[in-house]
Amino acid sequence: AQSVSQHNHHVILSEAASLELGCNYSYGGTVNLFWYVQYPGQHLQLLLKYFSGDPLVKGIKGFEAEFIKSKFSFNLRKPSVQWSDTAEYFCAVNAIGSSNTGKLIFGQGTTLQVKP
Amino acid sequence: GAVVSQHPSRVICKSGTSVKIECRSLDFQATTMFWYRQFPKQSLMLMATSNEGSKATYEQGVEKDKFLINHASLTLSTLTVTSAHPEDSSFYICSASVTASTDTQYFGPGTRLTVL
Repeated sequence: AQSVSQHNHHVILSEAASLELGCNYSYGGTVNLFWYVQYPGQHLQLLLKYFSGDPLVKGIKGFEAEFIKSKFSFNLRKPSVQWSDTAEYFCAVNAIGSSNTGKLIFGQGTTLQVKP
Repeated sequence: GAVVSQHPSRVICKSGTSVKIECRSLDFQATTMFWYRQFPKQSLMLMATSNEGSKATYEQGVEKDKFLINHASLTLSTLTVTSAHPEDSSFYICSASVTASTDTQYFGPGTRLTVL
């Protein structure tokens, strides 16, 4: 079965530090890839997504992610974090053509804490 | 755009009673809606997928007779937890996609269910 792994469970950064959150998935076929963010007390919001085309995708609030097919990875980056980026970040994969087509498979989530 | 609401946001009920949770897509018609369960400090686990006018597809291990899902229209899906027990206490989240189930999912704010 397909799975998604987020390597960092809890990340603590100071404001202005650079951020990279890892996400790897296990599926050799076509994928739709997503990063969602859940701010404290709020619902999941879409940060960015990749379906096809340029593997470097830009999302809201200065976030970007790069799809590296050979590494089965979709890491999230931001050059300079702000205190307001404190949240839970989820990587999710839709494994097209698999028995799980149409279902989002979520990683375990990464808690980001940004210190002012 | 792409706003999904849930009602109620919180519900407390006695063991043995049934609880209905509504999920609405406010500004779009949702071909497919999804129901997730999120445990504290954990990721989202897909419970079932529903398409308007057809029976829901449940994930392995999810009791269809306990978690009744109705997707009566393109903007409304309901989850009824029947004969609720304390172990059903959780955070239930719905999502909706505009076109195919492989499309971007937009999430509702969730419903906190506490069964006494």
